[in-house]
Amino acid sequence: AQKITQTQPGMFVQEKEAVTLDCTYDTSDQSYGLFWYKQPSSGEMIFLIYQGSYDEQNATEGRYSLNFQKARKSANLVISASQLGDSAMYFCAMSLWFSGGYNKLIFGAGTRLAVHP
Amino acid sequence: DGGITQSPKYLFRKEGQNVTLSCEQNLNHDAMYWYRQDPGQGLRLIYYSQIVNDFQKGDIAEGYSVSREKKESFPLTVTSAQKNPTAFYLCASSTTGQRTNYGYTFGSGTRLTVV
Repeated sequence: AQKITQTQPGMFVQEKEAVTLDCTYDTSDQSYGLFWYKQPSSGEMIFLIYQGSYDEQNATEGRYSLNFQKARKSANLVISASQLGDSAMYFCAMSLWFSGGYNKLIFGAGTRLAVHP
Repeated sequence: DGGITQSPKYLFRKEGQNVTLSCEQNLNHDAMYWYRQDPGQGLRLIYYSQIVNDFQKGDIAEGYSVSREKKESFPLTVTSAQKNPTAFYLCASSTTGQRTNYGYTFGSGTRLTVV
């Protein structure tokens, strides 16, 4: 079954420190994409970073990096130099591709991150 | 600016009523999606559509219906058959293809409450 697992319901981090949010996934497909989204209390979904299953290098976007370990089926998000504005819910998601050009995005349960001053 | 517009932002439904949530995009995306989010939980896929006049059930389609008569629009109807409709509903759109990030874009959501 295709599934995303986020085992950390909540995480705390001190401002300016780095934090890693865990994500494991399960799929038998060879072609898929992995995403991280941030959801502040307003409810909007903010795209952070993307990793394709065929990408050999780990993705980076500013303070965000994705630690992609394909053999272990993990796609952890690393936030460096945490800021107070990073406090939010974070979702790991996987995009699956089907024949005919169909694709869909499935989500994990999320991790709530709190950044302390 | 291109984006997705969901309306209304807040919606109240009486028991036994059908309500329709609007989702419009001007990104020229082929695919559109509806997700449901319950408090403290992840997003679950209700319906998705890759092309006009075609749509598929997601993981929790019971009690919901959709239409895709125009590329830009993908309204969701929450019917009286949905016994627990109180939730946050998010609409999204994307491109189609393979080995891309699909450009998934989300609306700002509709919060539905049964009164």
